[in-house]
Amino acid sequence: GDSVTQMEGPVTLSEEAFLTINCTYTATGYPSLFWYVQYPGEGLQLLLKATKADDKGSNKGFEATYRKETTSFHLEKGSVQVSDSAVYFCALYNSGGSNYKLTFGKGTLLTVNP
Amino acid sequence: KAGVTQTPRYLIKTRGQQVTLSCSPISGHRSVSWYQQTPGQGLQFLFEYFSETQRNKGNFPGRFSGRQFSNSRSEMNVSTLELGDSALYLCASSLGQGRNNEQFFGPGTRLTVL
Repeated sequence: GDSVTQMEGPVTLSEEAFLTINCTYTATGYPSLFWYVQYPGEGLQLLLKATKADDKGSNKGFEATYRKETTSFHLEKGSVQVSDSAVYFCALYNSGGSNYKLTFGKGTLLTVNP
Repeated sequence: KAGVTQTPRYLIKTRGQQVTLSCSPISGHRSVSWYQQTPGQGLQFLFEYFSETQRNKGNFPGRFSGRQFSNSRSEMNVSTLELGDSALYLCASSLGQGRNNEQFFGPGTRLTVL
């Protein structure tokens, strides 16, 4: 079945540091890929998405490129802020057959120190 | 536009009891999905409803059930609660099914089983 593997962390960075969170996936067909963010005590918010190979999703300074050849969707940000501290989830959505669901990675806790 | 709402936000139950959680999707959304989030297993898909029909179900025992009403509101029920059912239960809604339909998440219901 489908699966998502992401670095589990925790990741601790200083403000303005560069961020990379690795994400790879296994899926049949052509899934859509997502990054969600969860702040303490809240539900998940969609951060960015990409629906086909070579698409780049971007939002709030975060970027990720859908790499079909390496089955990857790594999240990057050039300069993190304290307010970026949260848990980040990589996910895929594969609508092959009747499989209408999101499959998530385990999540990566990011802490950004001032 | 109001977001996805879930009630109650917090619940404490004892083993053997049953519980019903409620989810009101964004107005106009017809698809509702449920996920269980635990520290050990991460985010796991429970089931998905579209137009009052369960379209997909995850790997959970029959104690977990759900339904969707004609106004798209959804409930999930867990019978004969076990300690391991303690989790954050997240509901997500989308306009329809398919890879281009973004899922919007509610804040979740935190269930504690004693």
